[in-house]
Amino acid sequence: LAKTTQPISMDSYEGQEVNITCSHNNIATNDYITWYQQFPSQGPRFIIQGYKTKVTNEVASLFIPADRKSSTLSLPRVSLSDTAVYYCLVGGSGNTGKLIFGQGTTLQVKP
Amino acid sequence: GAGVSQSPSNKVTEKGKDVELRCDPISGHTALYWYRQRLGQGLEFLIYFQGNSAPDKSGLPSDRFSAERTGESVSTLTIQRTQQEDSAVYLCASSHQRTGQETQYFGPGTRLLVL
Repeated sequence: LAKTTQPISMDSYEGQEVNITCSHNNIATNDYITWYQQFPSQGPRFIIQGYKTKVTNEVASLFIPADRKSSTLSLPRVSLSDTAVYYCLVGGSGNTGKLIFGQGTTLQVKP
Repeated sequence: GAGVSQSPSNKVTEKGKDVELRCDPISGHTALYWYRQRLGQGLEFLIYFQGNSAPDKSGLPSDRFSAERTGESVSTLTIQRTQQEDSAVYLCASSHQRTGQETQYFGPGTRLLVL
């Protein structure tokens, strides 16, 4: 499975837009890009998934450039409750479905 | 149930004892996964079930770890002769299918502390 690289931590303030970029230079042709969110003492929760270009749902947007070697998770107008660890994962093409998690990005939203 | 449930939520045991961790996946989900998360770290894959079969056990750290699934439902992760390095949160997830595109739904985890 493709290895991902993302910042270890980020700080933001309430109401700001937060963009977390993930690098995945070795992404395979059929791999999808998926982001999970994890709050303290909870299991990860699916946020968004995409293959190329842009995907938007009620929680976030995901921007994927044409070469697919990186992706950016965009959280609009964050609140204190968005403080969490965000994981970028790449995979899905013919594997068992197991997810390979890196250390993720710890987002701290301040008032 | 509405989501993935795990029990116990917390487990404290003494080194050398055996422990059993239980996972109840979302009804109808054929795929079930176990992960381990050490403090401050990402998740490590342990084992994957498709139905009651485990085609991928590649993440089990040693032969002290085993898991089974019955009735295409409940799964039990057993750790024999626990060691202090086994202390971690053990997370279970389930999904409709086994592909990586499928959303995995995680339980709250079992926090294991080996003294």
